[in-house]
Amino acid sequence: GAGVSQSPSNKVTEKGKDVELRCDPISGHTALYWYRQRLGQGLEFLIYFQGNSAPDKSGLPSDRFSAERTGESVSTLTIQRTQQEDSAVYLCASYGRGTGELFFGEGSRLTVL
Amino acid sequence: AQRVTQPEKLLSVFKGAPVELKCNYSYSGSPELFWYVQYSRQRLQLLLRHISRESIKGFTADLNKGETSFHLKKPFAQEEDSAMYYCALKVPNDYKLSFGAGTTVTVRA
Repeated sequence: GAGVSQSPSNKVTEKGKDVELRCDPISGHTALYWYRQRLGQGLEFLIYFQGNSAPDKSGLPSDRFSAERTGESVSTLTIQRTQQEDSAVYLCASYGRGTGELFFGEGSRLTVL
Repeated sequence: AQRVTQPEKLLSVFKGAPVELKCNYSYSGSPELFWYVQYSRQRLQLLLRHISRESIKGFTADLNKGETSFHLKKPFAQEEDSAMYYCALKVPNDYKLSFGAGTTVTVRA
């Protein structure tokens, strides 16, 4: 597809369950980001991948959060033992070399009951 | 580490009035600055970047290195400008973008 694709678009889960969110970046984009957007709040950086370099995980809020990316393709964000405070929209964005522009997906809205 | 500050969480203006969204940053070098916008039920998208020095949808933003600011301005706000606006910073030789907390703009008729 032409844009960044995320799935699922909506996920409702029970507290304590694990969830996996997926991001398909724009083909050829070397860098990929995950951000969290809580209701009424701004963008919170979680993690970013740049090619085959070690990811910058400095924004992950706890060890319940992890993310993977194989090469320059799909990325998955996994949240283990979800808590109610994990409820948010999780945004993925990819970035082409030298363009200086992030292209965002529509986000995955996570609701933890 | 670099930081982006948007002091206004909410901004309400009347249609036709000027609007200015403040953005300040902390970085000692020469960063790249951006404004991103998220309209209702749409994905976040780039509005403008300082290196382009262009006006998009009537908006302009000037990088002031002395004041470390990158305020977004529009002389006559329109109802379709109602959205959430994020200021973002990128430092040289790094792909990471740091975002401010965002400002929600409401333009009233």
